[in-house]
Amino acid sequence: EVQLLESGGGLVQPGGSLRLSCAASEFIFSSYAMTWVRRAPGKGLEWVSSISGSGDSRYYADSVQGRFTISRDNSKNTLYLQMNSLRAEDTAVYYCAKDYRGSKADAFDIWGQGTMVTVSS
Amino acid sequence: QSALTQPASVSGSPGQSITISCTGASSDVASYDSVSWYQQHPAKAPKLMIYDVSNRPSGVSNRFSGSKSGNTASLTISGLQAEDEADYYCGSYTSSSTLVFGGGTKLTVL
Repeated sequence: EVQLLESGGGLVQPGGSLRLSCAASEFIFSSYAMTWVRRAPGKGLEWVSSISGSGDSRYYADSVQGRFTISRDNSKNTLYLQMNSLRAEDTAVYYCAKDYRGSKADAFDIWGQGTMVTVSS
Repeated sequence: QSALTQPASVSGSPGQSITISCTGASSDVASYDSVSWYQQHPAKAPKLMIYDVSNRPSGVSNRFSGSKSGNTASLTISGLQAEDEADYYCGSYTSSSTLVFGGGTKLTVL
C-alpha cells in the first residue's frame, strides 16, 4: 500500500528548531514532487513548501521563506522539513503529501497522517 | 499568495445537491486548469476528490463533480449523504509555481 508516515513533531520554544521527516513506501519516490501542508488549530489548510522529484527545485510560502528548508533523500525514500526560528503561528498539524502526477506539485493524492508541531514557551 | 475565496459554510438535506465556489485571481484559477478539491473529516488527513478542475481520482464517487469559469471554480455534490459532512478545500497552482488553498467550507448535512 502506498503510504506516507510523518515524524518529528513536538513541543518547541519560540525561536527554536525542529526537523520533520516523511517516510514514503510502495511508490517510486524519486519520480514524484512532494509537498508539506499544514493546518493550524481552527484554521484551514496552508501550503508550506514543495520540492521536485530530483530535489533541484524548491518552493516556499512567503510565511516560511528563509526559515524553513525542504529537502529529500531519494536513496532513503524520505522527505524532510527543517524548521528554524519557529513562531507561535507555526503551531499546526503538518502533513506531507505526494503529487498525483509527478512533476508539478498541483494535486495531492496521498497524504500522511500528520504530525503536530506546537510552538510555545 | 492570497488564499482563494470559499464560502465559510454550506448546508443541504440528504439527497439534495450543493455547490461550493472557489474564487481566485488571474495568477491562479483563471490561468491554470490545475484546480483541485479536498475533503477533510475531523482529525483525518485530507482526501483528493477532484484534480485538473473536473477529473475524479479512482475510487471517488461520481456524485462529486468540478467545473470552472473564469477565475471561479466550483465543486458540486449531488445526492448528498450523511458521510459527505466534512470540510472542503479548493487548491490552485499559481504563476509562481506555488500552490494556494481556499479558506475552506464546512458542509453540514441537515
